[in-house]
Amino acid sequence: ILNVEQSPQSLHVQEGDSTNFTCSFPSSNFYALHWYRWETAKSPEALFVMTLNGDEKKKGRISATLNTKEGYSYLYIKGSQPEDSATYLCAFGVNTGNQFYFGTGTSLTVIP
Amino acid sequence: KAGVTQTPRYLIKTRGQQVTLSCSPISGHRSVSWYQQTPGQGLQFLFEYFSETQRNKGNFPGRFSGRQFSNSRSEMNVSTLELGDSALYLCASSRDSFLAPQHFGDGTRLSIL
Repeated sequence: ILNVEQSPQSLHVQEGDSTNFTCSFPSSNFYALHWYRWETAKSPEALFVMTLNGDEKKKGRISATLNTKEGYSYLYIKGSQPEDSATYLCAFGVNTGNQFYFGTGTSLTVIP
Repeated sequence: KAGVTQTPRYLIKTRGQQVTLSCSPISGHRSVSWYQQTPGQGLQFLFEYFSETQRNKGNFPGRFSGRQFSNSRSEMNVSTLELGDSALYLCASSRDSFLAPQHFGDGTRLSIL
């Protein structure tokens, strides 16, 4: 069983603040790294699929970077809004099997 | 385009019973994965099916089984239910399990009394 760690576990920020979270994963056997946003009472929604070392992806105010050599990915949110409040999950895919290992998530609360 | 549909949404069972959960993927998606989420745990991988074949299975006892039909719809079965099986069960479909995002259903909330 592979260990995917996300930090911090939870975060409270003021509206307008920028924030970032970390996803750490084993640097060997890397295949893909996914980020998902999971809002309360909804299903997880895909944000990014990242496969190459040095990848940078952007979607509106949210962006992500990937470092496969050292085994981490950062998710950034610029100018947080209350609608960004959700749990952000990362999922690590290995090249030795068709499964994802999910972190326990970072719970973000944006205070108006 | 219709999303991933899971039925039923809620289910209450007693210990020792068995249960079948259903997942209809997005049209054209051949990969279906199942996950279990319990309080304080991340999503735990159960199994993944692609074109009716189970390609991988997570670290769960044999009481958990699944299958996929020719139309890509998938079912998950849990036999001899235990209290610890109470959880949210999520199904996700994708075109390719790694290189395309997974699209999740709303889940089935299973409670064992």
